[in-house]
Amino acid sequence: GESVGLHLPTLSVQEGDNSIINCAYSNSASDYFIWYKQESGKGPQFIIDIRSNMDKRQGQRVTVLLNKTVKHLSLQIAATQPGDSAVYFCAEALNQAGTALIFGKGTTLSVSS
Amino acid sequence: KAGVTQTPRYLIKTRGQQVTLSCSPISGHRSVSWYQQTPGQGLQFLFEYFSETQRNKGNFPGRFSGRQFSNSRSEMNVSTLELGDSALYLCASSREGLETQYFGPGTRLLVL
Repeated sequence: GESVGLHLPTLSVQEGDNSIINCAYSNSASDYFIWYKQESGKGPQFIIDIRSNMDKRQGQRVTVLLNKTVKHLSLQIAATQPGDSAVYFCAEALNQAGTALIFGKGTTLSVSS
Repeated sequence: KAGVTQTPRYLIKTRGQQVTLSCSPISGHRSVSWYQQTPGQGLQFLFEYFSETQRNKGNFPGRFSGRQFSNSRSEMNVSTLELGDSALYLCASSREGLETQYFGPGTRLLVL
């Protein structure tokens, strides 16, 4: 079946560095991908999304890259800050509406100052 | 604008009991999805309701059920609780679909 996985369970960076979090997906027909951030005790918070007709999308300090050839997704965070410390999940939509998501296992990002 | 709210935030039950969790979506949102989060299995999709109808369903046993009311508020019910049902239950809402899902803080359920 479909699965969305992340390459590394943990990532430690220094404040000010750029962070890259990777994700592999298995369903080549997937159309919609989302990155979420989850802080301790809170629900996942939307960061950025991308549809399969795009290769790259930028937000504020974040960029998502989609490589459909190798079924790979990445989240780049520029100038990482201590407040970015959280668990990051990639998610793949099971349906066109994007209301049924498969989540990866998550990468814990730790930012030290 | 108020976010997604879930009640209760914490709950302790014993095996065999049933539980009902509630989710109030963001005003104007008609889609509500439910997820289970555990350390072992991660975040797993339970089901989605839209306009009072279940529109999508994940791979969970029939003990897990839900419903949605005309005001878009949703409830989730788990019957005959098992120890493995201990988890954080999250709901998320979106306007019509094709849009971002916004998550609530979750209800943490502990089954003893």
